[in-house]
Amino acid sequence: DIVLTQSPGTLSLSPGERATLSCKTSETISGKYLAWYQQKPGQAPRLLISGASNRVTGIPHRFSGGGSGTDFTLTIGRLEPEDFAVYYCQLPGTFGRGTKIEVK
Amino acid sequence: EVKLVESGGGVIRPGGSLRLSCVASGFNVDDYGLSWVRQSPGKRPEWVAGVGWNEISMNYAASVRGRFTVSRSNVKRSLYLRMTSLKAEDTALYYCVRAQGRDYDLAFDQWGQGTMVIVSS
Repeated sequence: DIVLTQSPGTLSLSPGERATLSCKTSETISGKYLAWYQQKPGQAPRLLISGASNRVTGIPHRFSGGGSGTDFTLTIGRLEPEDFAVYYCQLPGTFGRGTKIEVK
Repeated sequence: EVKLVESGGGVIRPGGSLRLSCVASGFNVDDYGLSWVRQSPGKRPEWVAGVGWNEISMNYAASVRGRFTVSRSNVKRSLYLRMTSLKAEDTALYYCVRAQGRDYDLAFDQWGQGTMVIVSS
């Protein structure tokens, strides 16, 4: 089974700063199936990016996804207060452990 | 408005059985795969089982295979999860989720609010 490794586990940043989250896969994959989710306390996860780089309708443009092969990234251009949350990458059948973005 | 509403959760003893249901509205269910995803407090989500648009193709996580049965009825706009031989480690919030297309294992673009299952003696 493919393993997803997310880093860092926690990212301490201030509003307005740029966030770069990493998701590495244990095998080379097609980015077609790589997705990113945001989860806030008490809420269900929300799909942000599918196909590694396709932003879902309604997701702000400050969120962008990229990468290929085994290395994928989620970038948040300038953090807004509502962006402090946990982010998961996902492939069919598996989720990463998540990266928490907290206020510095 | 797309809605997924789960029901059927509760407190159950180890070894017991439970059936979860999910009713979908606001979209044509025939065009989408559906899955169950669970999440324990403070843990990552875990995909449990899914069934494709045709009610035929389905798959399970290794952790539940042989104990859980997923099914759907497009006529009733519903997804089901029959859970047997429940274990403490099955304790979680169970979400009904919609895939982005007809296969059950595409990205999940719609989530219900979840139904809680607690397995405890």
